[in-house]
Amino acid sequence: DGGITQSPKYLFRKEGQNVTLSCEQNLNHDAMYWYRQDPGQGLRLIYYSQIVNDFQKGDIAEGYSVSREKKESFPLTVTSAQKNPTAFYLCASRDARVEKLFFGSGTQLSVL
Amino acid sequence: AQSVTQLGSHVSVSEGALVLLRCNYSSSVPPYLFWYVQYPNQGLQLLLKYTSAATLVKGINGFEAEFKKSETSFHLTKPSAHMSDAAEYFCAVSDSSNTGKLIFGQGTTLQVKP
Repeated sequence: DGGITQSPKYLFRKEGQNVTLSCEQNLNHDAMYWYRQDPGQGLRLIYYSQIVNDFQKGDIAEGYSVSREKKESFPLTVTSAQKNPTAFYLCASRDARVEKLFFGSGTQLSVL
Repeated sequence: AQSVTQLGSHVSVSEGALVLLRCNYSSSVPPYLFWYVQYPNQGLQLLLKYTSAATLVKGINGFEAEFKKSETSFHLTKPSAHMSDAAEYFCAVSDSSNTGKLIFGQGTTLQVKP
């Protein structure tokens, strides 16, 4: 099956700890995105990457980092600098031919 | 700067009734507009999109939306609600950079009562 896979589904972070959320796609899409979802606030863009080895900050990049070493993978690290990390994180990739984003099923991150 | 406003964070309808979810946008350039649906603890699924073709757009599951430039609106409708339509709905506008970035509204939770 083609699609986007996010893991883990649930993740817990301790104080001062960095955690990494995985996002893998087999759709052969160039562009990938990370969004953060908080209740009542919709989705906000954290980082995006339009091509391998390149990525750009979104609207709320502080406290997060990403890498794009492979076309299929776009992992997100939530660093200890992110003081309010509890949220639902969604990864997406873009089919530019039909102007459509495909979303993964999300990772719920909570703080212990 | 582009923005999206969804009027009403919660909408409740009876099964079989009309569904109307409101979305207004702000954009300095002709926008691409989208409606996405999210079921609990899942990702988002595209319902429909407007990309400057026909102003009345038909999507999946019987939903449709009409682009009204004079009102800067893109409201989502469905003639008859089903229980399975209960979900959260997001309106979004693409920014003008052609990077595929979307700006989302705050979301509207649709409740369908039997």
